[in-house]
Amino acid sequence: NAGVTQTPKFRVLKTGQSMTLLCAQDMNHEYMYWYRQDPGMGLRLIHYSVGEGTTAKGEVPDGYNVSRLKKQNFLLGLESAAPSQTSVYFCASSTFRSGGYEQYFGPGTRLTVT
Amino acid sequence: AQTVTQSQPEMSVQEAETVTLSCTYDTSESDYYLFWYKQPPSRQMILVIRQEAYKQQNATENRFSVNFQKAAKSFSLKISDSQLGDAAMYFCAYEGTYKYIFGTGTRLKVLA
Repeated sequence: NAGVTQTPKFRVLKTGQSMTLLCAQDMNHEYMYWYRQDPGMGLRLIHYSVGEGTTAKGEVPDGYNVSRLKKQNFLLGLESAAPSQTSVYFCASSTFRSGGYEQYFGPGTRLTVT
Repeated sequence: AQTVTQSQPEMSVQEAETVTLSCTYDTSESDYYLFWYKQPPSRQMILVIRQEAYKQQNATENRFSVNFQKAAKSFSLKISDSQLGDAAMYFCAYEGTYKYIFGTGTRLKVLA
């Protein structure tokens, strides 16, 4: 039981390049989330998904796209990376969207855009 | 809109001593949940403790306990008998109706 995994763990991009971050969970959770963590700003929600085939915008969605083609996977895409997207990205999953359920987090991806 | 505030960017505690981390929040909702998450240097976020707003009794998990003051919208975390392994970033989080909001975190240093 691996929980929530993220690939890659580190990535360096040049401005304008694109990439996809992969999140996978093996807990059969319906809800999945992408956050970014920046110094002094805590975690901010980028996009989330309430089930296979559905996605929704979070607090800071601009510059990112997501897809949830399979229940266990949630992909975060950057079409044209910008230095402002330098951050640590976390994926999380939970059984339900509300009701006090714990969010289970992946180990994070450190992305640097030069 | 709901907000979560952690006013202490950094705290220090001597090993075996007790430390309290502060968290305040703002909401108009009556039903919600509050959490404390720990993020050690490994970056892995781990749930420490959870509190249901409708419960008056403060949650406790071993050396970790909370002081939940609903009227004051305060949710502090007390760590007793601090250990070196407690050194981490601690995030307070609020879960309301389809909202999950994190505070900016408090870095806890444990001094040997």
